Amino acid sequence: GNSVTQMEGPVTLSEEAFLTINCTYTATGYPSLFWYVQYPGEGLQLLLKATKADDKGSNKGFEATYRKETTSFHLEKGSVQVSDSAVYFCALRDSDTDKLIFGTGTRLQVFP
Amino acid sequence: SQTIHQWPATLVQPVGSPLSLECTVEGTSNPNLYWYRQAAGRGLQLLFYSVGIGQISSEVPQNLSASRPQDRQFILSSKKLLLSDSGFYLCAWTTGNTIYFGEGSWLTVV
Repeated sequence: GNSVTQMEGPVTLSEEAFLTINCTYTATGYPSLFWYVQYPGEGLQLLLKATKADDKGSNKGFEATYRKETTSFHLEKGSVQVSDSAVYFCALRDSDTDKLIFGTGTRLQVFP
Repeated sequence: SQTIHQWPATLVQPVGSPLSLECTVEGTSNPNLYWYRQAAGRGLQLLFYSVGIGQISSEVPQNLSASRPQDRQFILSSKKLLLSDSGFYLCAWTTGNTIYFGEGSWLTVV
């Protein structure tokens, strides 16, 4: 079945460091891919998305490229801030069933 | 505008008691609806999803059930809660590639 695998956290970085959170997926067909962020004490917010191969989603300095050849959708940011500390979820939406499948989440901790 | 409402926001229930969480959607028709659970320190687990009235798909065997009595209403239930049912429950719906989440319900089973 469809699944999403994320790197385990926590990821601990200093402010202005480069961030990569790996995400790979298994799916039939052509899923849409998403990154969600959950700040402490809050619900999930859509961060960015990509709907087809080679699309790049971007928002708030974060980027992720839909790589069909490697079935990946890694999240990157060139310079993280303390305010980026949160849990990040990678997700896919199956094109046939509309099911939304989430990864287990990766906690990011950024220190000044 | 399109909105989603979920209640109650917090709930403390004894083991063995019943549960009912309700989710309603406004501003759209025939949405795909989802229930997720986020247990403490863990990821987001898909529990149920529905593509129409009376159509429920269960993703994991569990102590919970879901119903969709109306097009824009999705209910999560249990007849007898277990301690392991504690967690944060999220209702969601989709249109196209846009996903909307409810505010979430914190359930503590004691």
